[in-house]
Amino acid sequence: EAQVTQNPRYLITVTGKKLTVTCSQNMNHEYMSWYRQDPGLGLRQIYYSMNVEVTDKGDVPEGYKVSRKEKRNFPLILESPSPNQTSLYFCASSLVQTGEQYFGPGTRLTVT
Amino acid sequence: GENVEQHPSTLSVQEGDSAVIKCTYSDSASNYFPWYKQELGKRPQLIIDIRSNVGEKKDQRIAVTLNKTAKHFSLHITETQPEDSAVYFCAASKTGTASKLTFGTGTRLQVTL
Repeated sequence: EAQVTQNPRYLITVTGKKLTVTCSQNMNHEYMSWYRQDPGLGLRQIYYSMNVEVTDKGDVPEGYKVSRKEKRNFPLILESPSPNQTSLYFCASSLVQTGEQYFGPGTRLTVT
Repeated sequence: GENVEQHPSTLSVQEGDSAVIKCTYSDSASNYFPWYKQELGKRPQLIIDIRSNVGEKKDQRIAVTLNKTAKHFSLHITETQPEDSAVYFCAASKTGTASKLTFGTGTRLQVTL
């Protein structure tokens, strides 16, 4: 089954404790992206990647890191999480030329 | 950068009526405009998209119109059904694809019986 998976789905952590949210897709998509969703603000892009070893900042990259060592994986790293990073995070992927973006199930992160 | 404004933030219609959601964008170079539907507790899903070389696109009960001169685009849902109840997001990109999408803030559509 074609899908985008994220782990964990729910995470409660404390300020400053490094964490990684994994994202994997099995559709051989070149393009992958991370978004955060906050009430009243819609979806805001954090980072995106056009292909392996090619990443770029989105609209809200501060406090986040990403890497794209393999085509299928695009982990999101929070090296020192803060309470303002409490949010619902979505990973997404697509073929570069089609534009149809497939979203993962989301990861709800709470930083206390 | 691009700025996308979406209105209304909430919309309630009776089953069978039509619903219209409007978005405006700021960057005249934007050329790809998708619409996503997000049901409660679920992930966003693409329902329709339009590119700047087309003025209108339809898919069954859903249609999108684009006015490049005025820099706005709209989602039209006809004969609404309870399963249309969801949050709808518009977005814009100037890459012609889903990369570098800027989203609107969403419209919560409630279809009442």
